[in-house]
Amino acid sequence: AQKVTQAQTEISVVEKEDVTLDCVYETRDTTYYLFWYKQPPSGELVFLIRRNSFDEQNEISGRYSWNFQKSTSSFNFTITASQVVDSAVYFCALSEKRTGRRALTFGSGTRLQVQP
Amino acid sequence: SAVISQKPSRDICQRGTSLTIQCQVDSQVTMMFWYRQQPGQSLTLIATANQGSEATYESGFVIDKFPISRPNLTFSTLTVSNMSPEDSSIYLCSAGEQGPYNEQFFGPGTRLTVL
Repeated sequence: AQKVTQAQTEISVVEKEDVTLDCVYETRDTTYYLFWYKQPPSGELVFLIRRNSFDEQNEISGRYSWNFQKSTSSFNFTITASQVVDSAVYFCALSEKRTGRRALTFGSGTRLQVQP
Repeated sequence: SAVISQKPSRDICQRGTSLTIQCQVDSQVTMMFWYRQQPGQSLTLIATANQGSEATYESGFVIDKFPISRPNLTFSTLTVSNMSPEDSSIYLCSAGEQGPYNEQFFGPGTRLTVL
């Protein structure tokens, strides 16, 4: 069965520090998809990125970057020069092709607090 | 991307009553889902809302407790029946297109407190 583990429950950094949020996944499928969502204090989940299992190329979007490594089943998320507005809970999620299970399996989330 | 609204945004209910949560999407979507997020926890899928047929429930969730309707491709409701304090959670609606590659978009959630 699929599983997503976010071992870091809470991280606190000072503004302008870089921070990496870890995500480790388990799946028996060879084709799967990974996602990151942000949940700010307002509560609404905001989609950040998706990756399919055949695309291990790292991605950068502004201050955000993602490192996908199939060898370690990890999909880590780095925020460079963090800002107070980055304070939120971040969820990593997985969906599989084989099972046809369209819904997402979420990790437990990492609460990031960026102090001014 | 789809824009999703939910009503009510929050409610405080008495034990034993029922609450119906509405989810409206601004465009037609193939898939709609209902998730529950208990305080400080992650999201757990309750069910997939199927248009024109019965919802598909995940293990641990039953239709009698969480009846779901989806009359068309833009609207769904979730009812939390015979509520108890353990049902106090945030209930989130999400929508997306067919295929596990497609991202899901989430509504703002309904924060339910049961006394």
